[in-house]
Amino acid sequence: GENVEQHPSTLSVQEGDSAVIKCTYSDSASNYFPWYKQELGKRPQLIIDIRSNVGEKKDQRIAVTLNKTAKHFSLHITETQPEDSAVYFCAASIRNQGAQKLVFGQGTRLTINP
Amino acid sequence: GAVVSQHPSRVICKSGTSVKIECRSLDFQATTMFWYRQFPKQSLMLMATSNEGSKATYEQGVEKDKFLINHASLTLSTLTVTSAHPEDSSFYICSARDLQGAAYEQYFGPGTRLTVT
Repeated sequence: GENVEQHPSTLSVQEGDSAVIKCTYSDSASNYFPWYKQELGKRPQLIIDIRSNVGEKKDQRIAVTLNKTAKHFSLHITETQPEDSAVYFCAASIRNQGAQKLVFGQGTRLTINP
Repeated sequence: GAVVSQHPSRVICKSGTSVKIECRSLDFQATTMFWYRQFPKQSLMLMATSNEGSKATYEQGVEKDKFLINHASLTLSTLTVTSAHPEDSSFYICSARDLQGAAYEQYFGPGTRLTVT
């Protein structure tokens, strides 16, 4: 079945620096790639997503890039702030048993050091 | 818009009892709802996909007789954990897909923390 690998599992950066999280997926039919931010005990919140017909998308300090040939996509956060500290999950869509589902990566715990 | 609620937010039950968790889409109709389980410091694992008016489809390894799912309307799905055991203690999160929205986007509920003693 579909597999999504996410790296690194933990990431610590200085406030103001950039953070990059990378994911790879296995199903070449995947065509939707969201990124979620989850704070402790809270629901995952969609921060950005990208569809397979584009290679890059940006929203203020957050950007996502997609390489369909290599089957990997990355999250870039610039000018990091302490409130960016959280666990980030990537996901890839799959079609299974007639339904569109999401397969999640293992998560990256991002810590922004003041 | 696109708000999903869950009830209860926390529940503690004794081993052997059953617990029902509700997932509601408050301002939209959801054709499909998903149930996830998340253990501490782990990712979200899809348990089942729930479609209004039809039987849920379960992921491999998830016991359908233990985790009963009912999707009675376009705004409500329920998950019942039957004969709960301590190993069922986890964070259960639902998500919903908007009938009128994009085909892929899912809106997550706030989660239910289940503790089985």
